[in-house]
Amino acid sequence: QQQVKQSPQSLIVQKGGIPIINCAYENTAFDYFPWYQQFPGKGPALLIAIRPDVSEKKEGRFTISFNKSAKQFSLHIMDSQPGDSATYFCAASGNTGKLIFGQGTTLQVKP
Amino acid sequence: NAGVMQNPRHLVRRRGQEARLRCSPMKGHSHVYWYRQLPEEGLKFMVYLQKENIIDESGMPKERFSAEFPKEGPSILRIQQVVRGDSAAYFCASSRDYHSNQPQHFGDGTRLSIL
Repeated sequence: QQQVKQSPQSLIVQKGGIPIINCAYENTAFDYFPWYQQFPGKGPALLIAIRPDVSEKKEGRFTISFNKSAKQFSLHIMDSQPGDSATYFCAASGNTGKLIFGQGTTLQVKP
Repeated sequence: NAGVMQNPRHLVRRRGQEARLRCSPMKGHSHVYWYRQLPEEGLKFMVYLQKENIIDESGMPKERFSAEFPKEGPSILRIQQVVRGDSAAYFCASSRDYHSNQPQHFGDGTRLSIL
């Protein structure tokens, strides 16, 4: 019940494409869903986060879509660039604050 | 640099030695979380601390691992009698509060290698 399942494991798109990464959770006590971006040798950096009272949140080229009834959420990257090539992690947390991470998606954006 | 600071960035130990990993949270943050990342895997929660208190250690192995966050100084993750399976990247994150709407900011981690 504490798991967050993330797919796909890896993704390759052309520059300008819209990669979509999906996550699913079971625990209905989760109320905070962040996405992190990680480059090799670096720590995860917070990209964008959403709470379950909204269905969509957009920050720059990054959009989270949230489906509370399906217990799923996804990250869309608009107009993707080679610099977006990184590993992306979804996560979820409840009132304890500890983050439960998905397994990660390695994104490659080809020029 | 006002971010989360971790040191050392790389640590090499032989089996049976002790490893000490340090984490200084962001200014104004009093909540520290430790996570472990094995190669090609996501991050796994280990322990959550506030100043002088362990709040949640549900992700910590029962033996050899301990953590502290003293009143003064950085948080320390200590691994005694290290084994090959302890090789991983260890990340620290800090937040202003424990509420789920307070984002956690991560350091760049300590890469621990066991010979």
